[in-house]
Amino acid sequence: GQNIDQPTEMTATEGAIVQINCTYQTSGFNGLFWYQQHAGEAPTFLSYNVLDGLEEKGRFSSFLSRSKGYSYLLLKELQMKDSASYLCAVMDSNYQLIWGAGTKLIIKP
Amino acid sequence: IAGITQAPTSQILAAGRRMTLRCTQDMRHNAMYWYRQDLGLGLRLIHYSNTAGTTGKGEVPDGYSVSRANTDDFPLTLASAVPSQTSVYFCASSDSDREGAGELFFGEGSRLTVL
Repeated sequence: GQNIDQPTEMTATEGAIVQINCTYQTSGFNGLFWYQQHAGEAPTFLSYNVLDGLEEKGRFSSFLSRSKGYSYLLLKELQMKDSASYLCAVMDSNYQLIWGAGTKLIIKP
Repeated sequence: IAGITQAPTSQILAAGRRMTLRCTQDMRHNAMYWYRQDLGLGLRLIHYSNTAGTTGKGEVPDGYSVSRANTDDFPLTLASAVPSQTSVYFCASSDSDREGAGELFFGEGSRLTVL
């Protein structure tokens, strides 16, 4: 079966750095996506990786290793507004998105 | 502001009733999707449409139907609601003809409670 694993919850301190991991087992691979979802709101797109390596976008970076079935989202200089759930999703061989359950990130002052 | 509009935002429904969740987008995206989101689970695809006039079943289609008469509208119908359909429903769209087509644009969600 297809599976996306990510931690259920993480806690970090304002101003610090946090890494949210995602491992996947899917039938085929056509890209990995990270979305941010604030409580009670819709998910919003953060990043897309299709080749191995690091993609940097401001305070957020996303890394992919296809051979290991592994990705991480790195958030730097954490702000209180970064408190949200972070969803990892993989596009499989049928170009359908398979979603992880999300990681709830709690930022403490 | 361009985007996706869902209605209603929230609804309480008696079991056995019929309900249609509306979804409209003005971005001229060819692909549209309906997901449900339940606590502790990832987003699960109910139905999708790659282009106007076509629809397909997702992971959890039972009890739901959709139609795609035009590019902009993609309503989701529960023919006879059951309590297990209590969930938050998200409509989404994407420009599926380009690379990175997993960049979805989501509506604000419809919170449905079936009693």
